[in-house]
Amino acid sequence: ETQLLESGGGLGQPGGSLRLSCAASGFTFSSHAMSWVRQAPGQGLEWVSLISGSDGSTNYADSVKGRFIISRDNSKNTLYLQMNSLRAEDTAVYHCAQSGVRVVGGVINWGQGTLVTVSS
Amino acid sequence: EIVLTQSPATLSLSPGERATLSCGASQSVSYLAWYQHKPGLAPRLLIYDASSRATGIPDRFSGSGSGTDFTLTISRLEPEDFAVYYCQQYGGSPPYTFGQGTKVEIK
Repeated sequence: ETQLLESGGGLGQPGGSLRLSCAASGFTFSSHAMSWVRQAPGQGLEWVSLISGSDGSTNYADSVKGRFIISRDNSKNTLYLQMNSLRAEDTAVYHCAQSGVRVVGGVINWGQGTLVTVSS
Repeated sequence: EIVLTQSPATLSLSPGERATLSCGASQSVSYLAWYQHKPGLAPRLLIYDASSRATGIPDRFSGSGSGTDFTLTISRLEPEDFAVYYCQQYGGSPPYTFGQGTKVEIK
């Protein structure tokens, strides 16, 4: 059974940093692209970033480009999101998301999410 | 960036009724998925490639459409189907955008 368990959320200061982790199990982690998707309070889902399974290529939403860095450690089956220069509008539940093997970007399995609150 | 527009924003229906949700794209999309999301839970994949049901999804859920116009149909609403539904386009160039969601609520 696929499991995605996020951690690292909490209170971050404006201009500060947080690092999210996602521990994956139940599938061949290195074969799948992985994403982060967030949901701000009272808002809908927003795609944040994706990293490929094979060559580690990355993509970002314009709202986080230059501030967030997605990475993965295939030896540890773990996905990361380094969040820098935090803003109030980054406050959201951040979900780890597994893409299918055939086509990237869609989500076949989701983590329950970790809450990030940016406030002074 | 491809913009997805879902309609209606809210659908008020009774159990047993048919629900029809729409998702329109600002340009033709390669692939489209539908997700169900309940508060406090992880979203769940319902439909991928516009019309293929994900594993374990009941056949009362069906997806159709291509290009820029897509539909999710729930043939007969069960109590557990009241939730927020999102469409997402993927497979082409990022960003892999979501629609703003349709809330299906009990009338």
